[in-house]
Amino acid sequence: EDQVTQSPEALRLQEGESSSLNCSYTVSGLRGLFWYRQDPGKGPEFLFTLYSAGEEKEKERLKATLTKKESFLHITAPKPEDSATYLCAVQAAGGGNKLTFGTGTQLKVEL
Amino acid sequence: EPEVTQTPSHQVTQMGQEVILRCVPISNHLYFYWYRQILGQKVEFLVSFYNNEISEKSEIFDDQFSVERPDGSNFTLKIRSTKLEDSAMYFCASSEAPLPGGLYFGAGTRLSVL
Repeated sequence: EDQVTQSPEALRLQEGESSSLNCSYTVSGLRGLFWYRQDPGKGPEFLFTLYSAGEEKEKERLKATLTKKESFLHITAPKPEDSATYLCAVQAAGGGNKLTFGTGTQLKVEL
Repeated sequence: EPEVTQTPSHQVTQMGQEVILRCVPISNHLYFYWYRQILGQKVEFLVSFYNNEISEKSEIFDDQFSVERPDGSNFTLKIRSTKLEDSAMYFCASSEAPLPGGLYFGAGTRLSVL
């Protein structure tokens, strides 16, 4: 069974304090690893798809990296508006078109 | 920017009643999905739909659930006889191509079964 584990569950940062969120996964062949941002009461907002180990993608203060066992979402010099829950999901080879999600990391960035 | 639109934003129903949740996917997308998120839990896959038929469904998606694309723009999820445990946030999503292309979610419908 495909599994996605995210850590930490919650993270509190000061504005400008860089950090990383972790997503470890167990899947029978990875077709894609996805990062989403979710604000309270809203749907997940697509950030990145990573396809193979060694791949990196960036968007503003966010950078996602991928290894064969885990992915990191690096947040550089975060601002209060980066506060949200960050979700990781995987699509398995042979798993059709479904995503398996982790429980997310709740990030709070304070002034 | 194109977006997935869901209505209503909140639906309250009595146990045993039928509900229909509605979605308008992004117009050039061909693949449609429903996911749900029980409060405090993971987002869970329910069903995927392509070319007017279900392409995949999870164990959650039992005979009480059905999906339909009644016209060229809407995509609906019907729950025939709601149970208390169906209370959750239901998200519609769409993608232009099969995954792992980008999957875009709507804002969700909060279903409360009393």
